[in-house]
Amino acid sequence: NAGVTQTPKFQVLKTGQSMTLQCAQDMNHEYMSWYRQDPGMGLRLIHYSVGAGITDQGEVPNGYNVSRSTTEDFPLRLLSAAPSQTSVYFCASRNSGLAGTNEQYFGPGTRLTVT
Amino acid sequence: AQTVTQSQPEMSVQEAETVTLSCTYDTSESNYYLFWYKQPPSRQMILVIRQEAYKQQNATENRFSVNFQKAAKSFSLKISDSQLGDTAMYFCALTNFGNEKLTFGTGTRLTIIP
Repeated sequence: NAGVTQTPKFQVLKTGQSMTLQCAQDMNHEYMSWYRQDPGMGLRLIHYSVGAGITDQGEVPNGYNVSRSTTEDFPLRLLSAAPSQTSVYFCASRNSGLAGTNEQYFGPGTRLTVT
Repeated sequence: AQTVTQSQPEMSVQEAETVTLSCTYDTSESNYYLFWYKQPPSRQMILVIRQEAYKQQNATENRFSVNFQKAAKSFSLKISDSQLGDTAMYFCALTNFGNEKLTFGTGTRLTIIP
């Protein structure tokens, strides 16, 4: 198993550009999430999905869109990049079948810089 | 709302010594999970240890153990016989049962000195 994969690893955007961060998992996990990590603030939840076709907002959803058309993929779209979106982005997944563990598996992260 | 507080931004310890990282939290739920994640310079988030709130026994994973004080809402991580590979950021995190939101503390940067 590759686990949770993210592409790209690094990206530089100009203000106003749009892009999609890709996330895929091969563990057949139902739950997937996107977090951003900023210096001194830990990780914060952007959006999450509890299954194909179902998404919901997290703590900091503004400026981001998500969709979940398959169990494996959970892309994060930046509609119009802003310097405040400069951050490291992590995708995570977990298996709802393992009742009581709640363990999330994280991808390697994408470092995004918006100039 | 749930919160996680790590009051030690940085710590350092000599190799082979024992170090304890502190974490306090707040939640209104009775059924929740607590985690310690390690983030080395590679940036990968690695689960170190997990504690279910309904379990009274403290979790242990090899050199890593926790001191879970439910009434005090405290969840500290003890690393015994510290190794150079333990150098990393350590994050304490909390999630309520059935909830997707994993709330993180701000992290403690741990340096193991040779």
